[in-house]
Amino acid sequence: GAGVSQSPSNKVTEKGKDVELRCDPISGHTALYWYRQRLGQGLEFLIYFQGNSAPDKSGLPSDRFSAERTGESVSTLTIQRTQQEDSAVYLCASSYLAAGVLQETQYFGPGTRLLVL
Amino acid sequence: AQKITQTQPGMFVQEKEAVTLDCTYDTSDPSYGLFWYKQPSSGEMIFLIYQGSYDQQNATEGRYSLNFQKARKSANLVISASQLGDSAMYFCAMRVNVGRLYFGRGTQLTVWP
Repeated sequence: GAGVSQSPSNKVTEKGKDVELRCDPISGHTALYWYRQRLGQGLEFLIYFQGNSAPDKSGLPSDRFSAERTGESVSTLTIQRTQQEDSAVYLCASSYLAAGVLQETQYFGPGTRLLVL
Repeated sequence: AQKITQTQPGMFVQEKEAVTLDCTYDTSDPSYGLFWYKQPSSGEMIFLIYQGSYDQQNATEGRYSLNFQKARKSANLVISASQLGDSAMYFCAMRVNVGRLYFGRGTQLTVWP
């Protein structure tokens, strides 16, 4: 089926505005991840959803960041009162997570490039 | 704490030659998985290869192989017969338990003709 899709591809916003980023995972994938990649850096974990379990929010950098997921489908990452340091590529990944399987492969979307002016 | 270290910001290799990209990791958990991803200039992350901590043999996938040295905590990626299309950023990543991946800072590989 189709891969992970993200929208918008690019977003330019003004400091202080709120933004919503959307992720559509691969159909049937139970796990969904958000990562942030600053220019020239590696990927920084933000949040992880697995089925109906409570999400792992340990990577969210501040309370301005939040995310939701509807069942095992779409997820939205919301950044409130954006700051210039929030400028980055936000990547979403999904996987079919079999219990206890370390090998589970995460498939990434193309990312949303966020620029905060 | 879990950590991935990639000490080579950039590497250059001539087409058709082999190249090794270094990765060291740190974890106290005996069960973990190691991954390599490729990120071309277009930005998507492409899964290349996986090695489990209990795997007895080094993983191979086509021209990619993982040189896993458990005692040294290293998981170097070897690309044989480099092609121009291999030019990209390469990330080493680790999973402990389930869920999130821990990523290194990446190595920019440039293949020249």
